[in-house]
Amino acid sequence: DTEVTQTPKHLVMGMTNKKSLKCEQHMGHRAMYWYKQKAKKPPELMFVYSYEKLSINESVPSRFSPECPNSSLLNLHLHALQPEDSALYLCASSQVVLALPKQKLFFGSGTQLSVL
Amino acid sequence: RKEVEQDPGPFNVPEGATVAFNCTYSNSASQSFFWYRQDCRKEPKLLMSVYSSGNEDGRFTAQLNRASQYISLLIRDSKLSDSATYLCVVTPDNAGNMLTFGGGTRLMVKP
Repeated sequence: DTEVTQTPKHLVMGMTNKKSLKCEQHMGHRAMYWYKQKAKKPPELMFVYSYEKLSINESVPSRFSPECPNSSLLNLHLHALQPEDSALYLCASSQVVLALPKQKLFFGSGTQLSVL
Repeated sequence: RKEVEQDPGPFNVPEGATVAFNCTYSNSASQSFFWYRQDCRKEPKLLMSVYSSGNEDGRFTAQLNRASQYISLLIRDSKLSDSATYLCVVTPDNAGNMLTFGGGTRLMVKP
């Protein structure tokens, strides 16, 4: 079982809804990530938090709003999404920033999001 | 040219076969290399890191060729449970938190 826990596992929402994805890890990792993955494509990086501060935002639309309340939690707030935002949203963590040698990503099991 | 390239496959092999995948990367300053395995609708899971000297973990062998800028994954005695997508992952350099994923190679092991 993964040590990165994501909830919910599945989410169906309308374009006017507001919802949040949650991610939790208790490995003491200080870097956390959100990735988006469409079917048959590799994961695409959305956001990186390092020591609870947003360090990378890969030009993600403002309808996606990340939040890192503490070192163990990472949220992704969703508002006014489009059908093309339907995808698997993966949370991941690493001990520290990936730029250091041998750092590895640990992924959560993801939230399968469908926007109607 | 993509930063990390893989043959998407699918590679269809019988049980017990040996199969190998390559992955090429364009950034010669790349630091770390990994193979991840991803089952359909599941998260990627680290299969193995790839070290300069090559490394083996049971039926799996990973190699790195810095001169030609590619890494490889060899699977011996394929099992049905090896059927998955194998993602090549590269940490480009010391510039930040960027992992670059290859597009993945799909493996189907048949009885």
